[in-house]
Amino acid sequence: AQKITQTQPGMFVQEKEAVTLDCTYDTSDQSYGLFWYKQPSSGEMIFLIYQGSYDEQNATEGRYSLNFQKARKSANLVISASQLGDSAMYFCAMREVDQTGANNLFFGTGTRLTVIP
Amino acid sequence: DSGVTQTPKHLITATGQRVTLRCSPRSGDLSVYWYQQSLDQGLQFLIQYYNGEERAKGNILERFSAQQFPDLHSELNLSSLELGDSALYFCASRKGGSITDTQYFGPGTRLTVL
Repeated sequence: AQKITQTQPGMFVQEKEAVTLDCTYDTSDQSYGLFWYKQPSSGEMIFLIYQGSYDEQNATEGRYSLNFQKARKSANLVISASQLGDSAMYFCAMREVDQTGANNLFFGTGTRLTVIP
Repeated sequence: DSGVTQTPKHLITATGQRVTLRCSPRSGDLSVYWYQQSLDQGLQFLIQYYNGEERAKGNILERFSAQQFPDLHSELNLSSLELGDSALYFCASRKGGSITDTQYFGPGTRLTVL
């Protein structure tokens, strides 16, 4: 089974509007971390936001917020007031601990967001 | 700027050759990870080092090897290169073993095998 599922290969949003990028995850661990990364066309992977499994509040970082619904195992990224520079590939990732005690970071397949002027 | 540096930025080589990719982690980070990103495979975890020791292995081919040196920089060696090895190779680092530690990525090395 996939650890991280991003069901939207591509999304379009009008400039200045908000957009939600979906992410669901699969784990039986109680302790895990959820991350979102942005990859613009230049190729670098930019860390955006983190949510811990025990965090009761949704994480926010500027225009980024994470809509964390633990019971549904979803960690959607919300980008408010979209800007042209937000056009990029967005990856959801989850860190959990395996049987050996190693931390593994699992990535989804990504969602390509295009902001329309 | 994530603080993780990778060299070279671009590398073009021929099949059968060997190359070395270099990574310097962020100051204070003990863990280094290597990833391969190709169009058809997405982002694949290759290998992790923690304070000089190999910690975890992912989908790393036997033709590939890596090491982390005492100064914590890491090198990924790719040998007997094939066309399918063309990809973006990322190094990432993070402080330690806590599940909450964020992993920061370098700018990547784009490898083209002709």
